[in-house]
Amino acid sequence: EPEVTQTPSHQVTQMGQEVILRCVPISNHLYFYWYRQILGQKVEFLVSFYNNEISEKSEIFDDQFSVERPDGSNFTLKIRSTKLEDSAMYFCASSYRDYLSGELFFGEGSRLTVL
Amino acid sequence: AQSVTQLGSHVSVSEGALVLLRCNYSSSVPPYLFWYVQYPNQGLQLLLKYTTGATLVKGINGFEAEFKKSETSFHLTKPSAHMSDAAEYFCAVSYSGTYKYIFGTGTRLKVLA
Repeated sequence: EPEVTQTPSHQVTQMGQEVILRCVPISNHLYFYWYRQILGQKVEFLVSFYNNEISEKSEIFDDQFSVERPDGSNFTLKIRSTKLEDSAMYFCASSYRDYLSGELFFGEGSRLTVL
Repeated sequence: AQSVTQLGSHVSVSEGALVLLRCNYSSSVPPYLFWYVQYPNQGLQLLLKYTTGATLVKGINGFEAEFKKSETSFHLTKPSAHMSDAAEYFCAVSYSGTYKYIFGTGTRLKVLA
C-alpha cells in the first residue's frame, strides 16, 4: 500500500540551527501539507503546497519556515533558525485532490527536539 | 475562533465494552468532520468522515460516528472494544472544504483485558 514517508524520525538540534525535514509523498499525489503537534497540544496546520507554490499557510508559518519540492519526489520543510518552541512532531501529508472527496494520507511524523 | 474539543485526553475501557470518544466543534456553521487514528510509530489514518448526506457515518474497524448539528457534536463509537483499538484518536474539522484541518487535542484510548 502506498504511503507517505518522513525522515528523520527524530532529530535533536541546538537552538539557532537550521533543520530540514524530508517527506516523500505518495507518487501520484499533487497536494502536499505540513502539520505539527507540540507535545500535549493540538495538531496544527502549517502549510499547503500545490504546483510548486504555497497555496495556503497559517500564522505559525512565518519567515523562519520554508517548503519546497526540490526534485519532483521529495517535499521538504526547512526551519531556518530553530527556537525552543519549534520542538514538536511534524507531520507531512499528501492528497491527490485538495477537496474532501478524496483522502489525505499522513506520514509517521518527524520529532524535532530543540535544545 | 473556530475550535474542536475532545473531552478526555485519556479514556480506558474494558475489552468488549462500548467505546465512546467525544468531539464537539465550536462554529454554528457545520463543518466537514473527520476522525483519525494514530497507532504507535505510525501516521494518522482516516477512520471516517462526514461531508454531506447521512449523519451516521460508518468507518473502518467497526467504528462509526454521528453528526448532530443541534449539539455541534461528532462523537465516535464502537460497540465492542478490541485490544487492537488501543491508539490515539483525533477529531478534525474543515470549514474550507480543503485539507486545512482544525484538529482536537486527541484522546488516547486504552483497552483493558
